[in-house]
Amino acid sequence: KQEVTQIPAALSVPEGENLVLNCSFTDSAIYNLQWFRQDPGKGLTSLLLIQSSQREQTSGRLNASLDKSSGRSTLYIAASQPGDSATYLCAVRRDTDKLIFGTGTRLQVFP
Amino acid sequence: SAVISQKPSRDICQRGTSLTIQCQVDSQVTMMFWYRQQPGQSLTLIATANQGSEATYESGFVIDKFPISRPNLTFSTLTVSNLSPEDSSIYLCSGEIYADTQYFGPGTRLTVL
Repeated sequence: KQEVTQIPAALSVPEGENLVLNCSFTDSAIYNLQWFRQDPGKGLTSLLLIQSSQREQTSGRLNASLDKSSGRSTLYIAASQPGDSATYLCAVRRDTDKLIFGTGTRLQVFP
Repeated sequence: SAVISQKPSRDICQRGTSLTIQCQVDSQVTMMFWYRQQPGQSLTLIATANQGSEATYESGFVIDKFPISRPNLTFSTLTVSNLSPEDSSIYLCSGEIYADTQYFGPGTRLTVL
């Protein structure tokens, strides 16, 4: 059974810092991995999708990497801003099956 | 990409009643899903909404409690029946095309008194 864990569970940093959020999964046979952002009381916004054949994806200040063999993905946020404050979720998919969500990292960036 | 809307955005219901949530996608998607997010928790998949046929439910979720319809490729409803306080959660629908990026609606916050 696939299990997805995110570390740290919560993170509070000053504005301007570069951040790394971690996602680990127990079954390396994945189809793709997706990173989401969730603001309090809201739905999820897709940030990046990495296919199993890819090593990384970039969008603006965000960079996500994937190491299937070690069962890990990282989300790198450059030059963090207060607007980045949210919960970040990773989710993995095996074949074309359903998404399995991680436990989430709650990020707060203070001015 | 796909834009997904949900109605209602929130509701407060009495114990024993039911709530139906509507999900509308602005483009055709191959798959639609319903999730529950309990307070402080991550997302749990309730079921996959299948067009024109019965939904596929995950372990722990049953059709009598969570009937789902999907009459076409862009619309689905989830009913939460016989409500109890334990059903208080955020309910989210999502859509995707061929196991690619999954898009989510804004969620429906349900409070059961």
